[in-house]
Amino acid sequence: GNSVTQMEGPVTLSEEAFLTINCTYTATGYPSLFWYVQYPGEGLQLLLKATKADDKGSNKGFEATYRKETTSFHLEKGSVQVSDSAVYFCALSPNTGNQFYFGTGTSLTVIP
Amino acid sequence: EADIYQTPRYLVIGTGKKITLECSQTMGHDKMYWYQQDPGMELHLIHYSYGVNSTEKGDLSSESTVSRIRTEHFPLTLESARPSHTSQYLCASSEAGDYSGNTIYFGEGSWLTVV
Repeated sequence: GNSVTQMEGPVTLSEEAFLTINCTYTATGYPSLFWYVQYPGEGLQLLLKATKADDKGSNKGFEATYRKETTSFHLEKGSVQVSDSAVYFCALSPNTGNQFYFGTGTSLTVIP
Repeated sequence: EADIYQTPRYLVIGTGKKITLECSQTMGHDKMYWYQQDPGMELHLIHYSYGVNSTEKGDLSSESTVSRIRTEHFPLTLESARPSHTSQYLCASSEAGDYSGNTIYFGEGSWLTVV
């Protein structure tokens, strides 16, 4: 079956610290992988995505690399800002494209 | 930038009232979804549609109903609201097509409080 497991939060970091949020997946075939971000009181926004193995998605200083050998798609940022405080969701869409599977979300708080 | 709109954004209603949450998208997407989410918590799929006149129940059982009479419109209705329905409801849409790489786009959410 298809599923996503992501690192439990909450995560609290100081400004300019390095961020890693782990995400691993189970899927048949070759899914696409996504990271979404949800700011307080808002819906989810696409942060980045990768559609095939070894692809790197990047946006706003965030990066994630599609690792088929470890079935992972970890989110990283070299220097977080207070404005990055949000909940981050890892997701996958199987190669049939008919459904989306979300992780449980990881809450990040960045303190000045 | 996603063009998917939800109204109302915030609603407080009394127990037993009927409510409809509206969702519209201007991207021409065939697939639309409703998720229920408690604050900062995981998403639960409650309804989805693959096109006009198509509606299916999702993974989480819900007393709400949906309809899809037009491609761009996917309203959710609660016939008799209860305090247990208090939650955030997120509408989403994606392209059709049997291929990976589709992106799902979300509206800003409707916060429902039943008192």
